[in-house]
Amino acid sequence: AQSVTQPDIHITVSEGASLELRCNYSYGATPYLFWYVQSPGQGLQLLLKYFSGDTLVQGIKGFEAEFKRSQSSFNLRKPSVHWSDAAEYFCAVGAYGNKLVFGAGTILRVKS
Amino acid sequence: DSGVTQTPKHLITATGQRVTLRCSPRSGDLSVYWYQQSLDQGLQFLIQYYNGEERAKGNILERFSAQQFPDLHSELNLSSLELGDSALYFCASSVGSGLEIASDTQYFGPGTRLTVL
Repeated sequence: AQSVTQPDIHITVSEGASLELRCNYSYGATPYLFWYVQSPGQGLQLLLKYFSGDTLVQGIKGFEAEFKRSQSSFNLRKPSVHWSDAAEYFCAVGAYGNKLVFGAGTILRVKS
Repeated sequence: DSGVTQTPKHLITATGQRVTLRCSPRSGDLSVYWYQQSLDQGLQFLIQYYNGEERAKGNILERFSAQQFPDLHSELNLSSLELGDSALYFCASSVGSGLEIASDTQYFGPGTRLTVL
């Protein structure tokens, strides 16, 4: 069965510092991978997605993610974090029938 | 704003009761998905409808049911509510049926927060 692991429940970074959120997946076939962000009281917003091709994917708000098949990882990165990036981030893998299997989420705190 | 609307935003009810959550997909989207977000289970897929027909089922309890109407809006019915049903329920929509996932991004609504007392 498909699964997603986000090993970090909370991460705190200073404003302006770089960010990397980890995501490992388990899926038998070619994975379709997504990162969503959830701000407090809000729904989930798609940051970026990987289906095939270039393993470095650019998303909105300056985020990027790199797919590494050998490590079963799809880590999310941002070179310089802004206070408005504080939110919860979810990695997901697309399973058969298009249902999404989500990780437990990583809460990002940004300190000034 | 994703274009997916959900009503109500908040719902407070008692154990044993029945509630209905409503979702309107983005214009042009034919698929509707329901997800449950709870503290202990995280975000879990419940069920998908495509153009009025059930397409995929996840961890949905028998006490829960859903349908998609001809105008493509969907309702999730939760009955015999228990304390553990308290959660945030999300609806998402996408253009396709789910068989061509490469072209089928899911857009999420703001959710309905259900509190069962």
